[in-house]
Amino acid sequence: SQELEQSPQSLIVQEGKNLTINCTSSKTLYGLYWYKQKYGEGLIFLMMLQKGGEEKSHEKITAKLDEKKQQSSLHITASQPSHAGIYLCGARGGNRDDKIIFGKGTRLHILP
Amino acid sequence: SQTIHQWPATLVQPVGSPLSLECTVEGTSNPNLYWYRQAAGRGLQLLFYSVGIGQISSEVPQNLSASRPQDRQFILSSKKLLLSDSGFYLCAWSGMGQVTQYFGPGTRLTVL
Repeated sequence: SQELEQSPQSLIVQEGKNLTINCTSSKTLYGLYWYKQKYGEGLIFLMMLQKGGEEKSHEKITAKLDEKKQQSSLHITASQPSHAGIYLCGARGGNRDDKIIFGKGTRLHILP
Repeated sequence: SQTIHQWPATLVQPVGSPLSLECTVEGTSNPNLYWYRQAAGRGLQLLFYSVGIGQISSEVPQNLSASRPQDRQFILSSKKLLLSDSGFYLCAWSGMGQVTQYFGPGTRLTVL
């Protein structure tokens, strides 16, 4: 079965600094989803990537998909306290699968 | 616009007691519905998903069950709770034929 590994597991950065979170799949990616979760709350959909080389941005958050490496990266520029939370990546289980398999998440702390 | 509700927000139950968690979606028809459990260190685990009324697929064998009595209502139940059932339960929906999932606010269940 497909597995998604996120790195790092946790991250502490100074406000204003840039950071990158990675998500690597054990199998071919048929769609990669990024979500953000604040503690004790539901997941908020950030963006979806489908094609190799695709790059999308949501405010100061940019995600890229490297299909050959079966990997996606999430980059935050000039981090703010509002960026703190857990970032989860998810991927379709197969080309015709409508379910999403999730990584364990990366916990991001922003120091003022 | 579409919204998803979960009830209750928090729940403390003794071992062996029954459970009923409710999820309702508004503003869409024929959604796919999902129940997840999020436990510390284990990530997001898909428990059940449904593509229509009365159609339930179970992903993980356990003492939980799910039902979909109406198109936009999804219920998670148990006859006798175990300590290991504690966790954060999330409901999600996706549009018919779509993969992107949108999550509810979650229910935190503590079994004592």
